[in-house]
Amino acid sequence: QQQVKQSPQSLIVQKGGISIINCAYENTAFDYFPWYQQFPGKGPALLIAIRPDVSEKKEGRFTISFNKSAKQFSLHIMDSQPGDSATYFCAASFLSGGYNKLIFGAGTRLAVHP
Amino acid sequence: DAGITQSPRHKVTETGTPVTLRCHQTENHRYMYWYRQDPGHGLRLIHYSYGVKDTDKGEVSDGYSVSRSKTEDFLLTLESATSSQTSVYFCAISDSAGNQQVQFFGPGTRLTVL
Repeated sequence: QQQVKQSPQSLIVQKGGISIINCAYENTAFDYFPWYQQFPGKGPALLIAIRPDVSEKKEGRFTISFNKSAKQFSLHIMDSQPGDSATYFCAASFLSGGYNKLIFGAGTRLAVHP
Repeated sequence: DAGITQSPRHKVTETGTPVTLRCHQTENHRYMYWYRQDPGHGLRLIHYSYGVKDTDKGEVSDGYSVSRSKTEDFLLTLESATSSQTSVYFCAISDSAGNQQVQFFGPGTRLTVL
């Protein structure tokens, strides 16, 4: 299966709180797991990414936790700010037949309230 | 937007009419992709290109065709638009010289088929 399942669909967090978005996959061929952030009217922008040989990656307030055995990964946004309000997509990728096969989750709409 | 432009940015058309969307990149990347974004589905790959005149189908290619006569331009054509093709269309590129699994997205084209 090449689906990536993402939850929750929407999330409301108070300013300063922690936002957590979860994703799960089935295909063990996936070897690159990016997260994209999308603001209304804009294209998705790469936020942070991880490979399965690492259990955690942190960039500023954003952390990916990766559990290879469970085939799950999650995005944690620490000290969430109103400016983080956006739609977040997890994705999973592998190179297939010479091109990058990138499968997206359905997205999570995050609202951070002041 | 990684040197990616899309035109038009918005289009309203009628069922049965042909529509062509253009993606233009300025950085000579080899790989280009067309996705559609629909609520609840994330982004889904329509077609991709791995070089001039080299294209292949993605997961939702029915009703779409593409062409790439120059490195910088990747065209998506709906031969006879249907209401089910109302969507937001994104072009993406990836760099064969760097991490091919990193995709950068354009600003999108919102297409409405009446």
